[in-house]
Amino acid sequence: AQSVSQHNHHVILSEAASLELGCNYSYGGTVNLFWYVQYPGQHLQLLLKYFSGDPLVKGIKGFEAEFIKSKFSFNLRKPSVQWSDTAEYFCALRYSSASKIIFGSGTRLSIRP
Amino acid sequence: DSGVTQTPKHLITATGQRVTLRCSPRSGDLSVYWYQQSLDQGLQFLIQYYNGEERAKGNILERFSAQQFPDLHSELNLSSLELGDSALYFCASSTGTSGAFSDEQFFGPGTRLTVL
Repeated sequence: AQSVSQHNHHVILSEAASLELGCNYSYGGTVNLFWYVQYPGQHLQLLLKYFSGDPLVKGIKGFEAEFIKSKFSFNLRKPSVQWSDTAEYFCALRYSSASKIIFGSGTRLSIRP
Repeated sequence: DSGVTQTPKHLITATGQRVTLRCSPRSGDLSVYWYQQSLDQGLQFLIQYYNGEERAKGNILERFSAQQFPDLHSELNLSSLELGDSALYFCASSTGTSGAFSDEQFFGPGTRLTVL
């Protein structure tokens, strides 16, 4: 069955540290991939998305993600995190032959000021 | 503020009861999506409506149903409620004229349902 795995459940970093959150998926066909962020007490917001083309995708707030098809991965990165990046991050997958979207279990990011 | 509104914000009810959650999409958006977020199940897509018609179905239980009205607002009906139905229910909308799932979705603040 198609699935999305986020192996890091909780990541704690200091401000200015570099961030990489892992996302792996299981599906052999064409995919759309997303990263969403949920700040404390707020709704989900789209950070970035990959449909096709350049596998390095730039999103909002300095985030980027790289689609590596051979590794079935779509890791989220940010070179220097800020305290305001404290939130929960969800990787999501849509396989283009279907409409439904599958979310990963989420990674909680805590930034020490 | 995403422009998507949901009512009520909180709902507390008992097992076996039936509730209705309401979602108003952003102005002009034709697609409405429903999601359930719970501690044990994570974030799950339930169902999508596009311009009044069901477009896609996810992990929605038979006890749950939804509809989208001519004014494009949507309601999610949950019946025969169980303790495990306690969750945050999000609604999202998108502007895509084709109703393609890959359109960017804008999420509402959610309705927190507690079943006692």
